[in-house]
Amino acid sequence: AQTVTQSQPEMSVQEAETVTLSCTYDTSESDYYLFWYKQPPSRQMILVIRQEAYKQQNATENRFSVNFQKAAKSFSLKISDSQLGDAAMYFCAYRSGGGATNKLIFGTGTLLAVQP
Amino acid sequence: NAGVTQTPKFRVLKTGQSMTLLCAQDMNHEYMYWYRQDPGMGLRLIHYSVGEGTTAKGEVPDGYNVSRLKKQNFLLGLESAAPSQTSVYFCASRPTSGRFHEQYFGPGTRLTVT
Repeated sequence: AQTVTQSQPEMSVQEAETVTLSCTYDTSESDYYLFWYKQPPSRQMILVIRQEAYKQQNATENRFSVNFQKAAKSFSLKISDSQLGDAAMYFCAYRSGGGATNKLIFGTGTLLAVQP
Repeated sequence: NAGVTQTPKFRVLKTGQSMTLLCAQDMNHEYMYWYRQDPGMGLRLIHYSVGEGTTAKGEVPDGYNVSRLKKQNFLLGLESAAPSQTSVYFCASRPTSGRFHEQYFGPGTRLTVT
């Protein structure tokens, strides 16, 4: 069974600085997708960035980028120029490439605080 | 286009009471999911549906039932609520097309069972 591990329960960053959130996963599959979701205090789950396992190039979305290390099964999220609005819980998630369910397997989350 | 909506947003139940959570989506998505979120555990899949009239068990289905009588609605039922079902419940839906099969989430329902 696939598992997702986020080893940092809490992180803190100064406004305008850069922070990296860690995520590792375990799978025997070769076809899968990885996601980072943001959950602000409103509870709404917001997709931040996504990565296909077969693509070596790291995904980037504005100030958010990932460092995808397939051999190491690592998928970290880098937030550049941190803003107060980035403060939230961040979840890493895994999805198999095949199968009917396409269910998401989530990590336990990292609570990010942004200091002014 | 409201996306995914959930009713109610908050609810307090006494042990043994029953209730139904409603999830509705207006994106014509085939797949729908119910997750629960507990502190320190991330989101876990309760039940899911791959189309109207179909349902299947997820990771933590015990104590819950679901129905998908209409494509746009996915109902989650608690027949006899227990304190262990105190949680935040999220519904999600996704299309069958597209490379990432991205799931769209509702705003969540906070349920407390006393």
